[in-house]
Amino acid sequence: NAGVTQTPKFQVLKTGQSMTLQCAQDMNHEYMSWYRQDPGMGLRLIHYSVGAGITDQGEVPNGYNVSRSTTEDFPLRLLSAAPSQTSVYFCASSLRDRAGDTQYFGPGTRLTVL
Amino acid sequence: GQQVMQIPQYQHVQEGEDFTTYCNSSTTLSNIQWYKQRPGGHPVFLIQLVKSGEVKKQKRLTFQFGEAKKNSSLHITATQTTDVGTYFCAETRYNFNKFYFGSGTKLNVKP
Repeated sequence: NAGVTQTPKFQVLKTGQSMTLQCAQDMNHEYMSWYRQDPGMGLRLIHYSVGAGITDQGEVPNGYNVSRSTTEDFPLRLLSAAPSQTSVYFCASSLRDRAGDTQYFGPGTRLTVL
Repeated sequence: GQQVMQIPQYQHVQEGEDFTTYCNSSTTLSNIQWYKQRPGGHPVFLIQLVKSGEVKKQKRLTFQFGEAKKNSSLHITATQTTDVGTYFCAETRYNFNKFYFGSGTKLNVKP
């Protein structure tokens, strides 16, 4: 299993540009989430999904869209990039097992908006 | 906003010393999770605590959940350089599978 994969690893955008961050998992997990990580702020939940066709907002959803057409994929779209969206973005999927709600993270995408 | 507060923000220790990070909430937590993130890496799940007063151990790591389920701690005995990283606590919301993370404690271990 590849686990959770994210592409691209690095991206530089200009203000106003749009782009999609890709996330895929091959563990058949129902739950998937997107986080952003800024220095000293920990991880903040952007959007999450409890299954194909079902998404909901997290703490900081403004400026981002998501969709979940399949169990495997959960792309994050930046509609019109702003410098405040410069961050590291992590995708995660989770499975409720004996360890609890074990959450598996992808390697992250480092985004810079100029 | 953040539901859990984590202290300290930074901790520098000499190799072999012990280390503790604390996670506190003003409200009762349904459960608490702990993650480790190495520099430049992604968070890795360590453990979940659910029961009041629960204590779990993983080798040199001891995790505790307070009796009132409003605080938790992670204690590392005799730190090693491999323990370097940021340790996060996180609360989950079972109904919605939302995870809320603390701001983390960054641990540096001097050899």
